[in-house]
Amino acid sequence: GAVVSQHPSRVICKSGTSVKIECRSLDFQATTMFWYRQFPKQSLMLMATSNEGSKATYEQGVEKDKFLINHASLTLSTLTVTSAHPEDSSFYICSARAIRENTEAFFGQGTRLTVV
Amino acid sequence: AQSVTQLGSHVSVSEGALVLLRCNYSSSVPPYLFWYVQYPNQGLQLLLKYTTGATLVKGINGFEAEFKKSETSFHLTKPSAHMSDAAEYFCAVSSYNQGGKLIFGQGTELSVKP
Repeated sequence: GAVVSQHPSRVICKSGTSVKIECRSLDFQATTMFWYRQFPKQSLMLMATSNEGSKATYEQGVEKDKFLINHASLTLSTLTVTSAHPEDSSFYICSARAIRENTEAFFGQGTRLTVV
Repeated sequence: AQSVTQLGSHVSVSEGALVLLRCNYSSSVPPYLFWYVQYPNQGLQLLLKYTTGATLVKGINGFEAEFKKSETSFHLTKPSAHMSDAAEYFCAVSSYNQGGKLIFGQGTELSVKP
């Protein structure tokens, strides 16, 4: 149980285009999902917290108009990187917390975004 | 506020030797503590976690960690390293009021020499 699927696992896009990353909880309902960003050889930095049916909460320094988060259902959250630039190239990882679970969130496999 | 410090960005051990990865935390409330492993271009796999109860926690692949409140530490150990243990390891902290939100340490890259 507790499987989180992220799609796509790898994506290459051109500068100026937008790309959408999906995070799905496959066998549980997730009221809260988290989006992290990881630069090469670095740690994971929380970008935003996504709550089903409400607006995401962004961490300081994260541009909400550039990183659009939608959590439309209890099993799906999406992160859209708008007008992507090469500096947005990174590894993006989501995690999902189950309803009534307060100690742990489960991670997806990550998405490697390369902007050319 | 919470924070995590992992001492040593890179640790190298010989196959069969003891693995010790250090993690110290700061938290104003009782912490939840986690160790994750990450292989290249992959997500995170949970090795073990401490929330409440027994302070010595056993995880997968022979790893264990001990929560020491007086030392604010949660070091990860494994008695005998395998080549397959070579990876990046992250310590993370959360708490009851964080709802699954994690603060990560900087990570420690473990190399295992034959």
